[in-house]
Amino acid sequence: KAGVTQTPRYLIKTRGQQVTLSCSPISGHRSVSWYQQTPGQGLQFLFEYFSETQRNKGNFPGRFSGRQFSNSRSEMNVSTLELGDSALYLCASSMGLWGDTDTQYFGPGTRLTVL
Amino acid sequence: AQTVTQSQPEMSVQEAETVTLSCTYDTSESDYYLFWYKQPPSRQMILVIRQEAYKQQNATENRFSVNFQKAAKSFSLKISDSQLGDAAMYFCAYRSAAGNQFYFGTGTSLTVIP
Repeated sequence: KAGVTQTPRYLIKTRGQQVTLSCSPISGHRSVSWYQQTPGQGLQFLFEYFSETQRNKGNFPGRFSGRQFSNSRSEMNVSTLELGDSALYLCASSMGLWGDTDTQYFGPGTRLTVL
Repeated sequence: AQTVTQSQPEMSVQEAETVTLSCTYDTSESDYYLFWYKQPPSRQMILVIRQEAYKQQNATENRFSVNFQKAAKSFSLKISDSQLGDAAMYFCAYRSAAGNQFYFGTGTSLTVIP
């Protein structure tokens, strides 16, 4: 099976712009979670989508939003970028059934730099 | 909300030696899962090992094993016969049995000295 893929791998934006990141989960996985990773904060949970619905949400401002399509692919959007949004954005997919064997598998991440 | 604490930001180990990475967590739940993930430099995060809270037996995956102390809410990772390829950032993570949200620690950077 192909792993989790994320595009683009690198992005450079300026303050005030918006950005859209994409994540394609492992085939058969219906849950996609997004994380922001920074050196000081570790991994911070943004949100989780399951079957096109946001199921969980972390403590991030409304500038961060996402969606999921019927093929389970997910996009994350950040509007009005701030310098502090510079981070590695990780996507993780899982079956999402909360079962005993459910485990998240991570993509390589998108490195966002805001200038 | 659950919290996961990794109190060792950095660790080092000599090649072929054994190292233990610490993790503690705070939860009021009785049923949950614990994970150790490895993130090599500039590479993808991968699952190292997982432990179900209802299992008393500690999980083992080749050179990797855990010491799970449920009462103490402790979940340490032991790496035996350390290899250069073990150098990475290691994250401890918690997931409730009733949800899919993961809570991660801040990570421990492991250096393997040849």
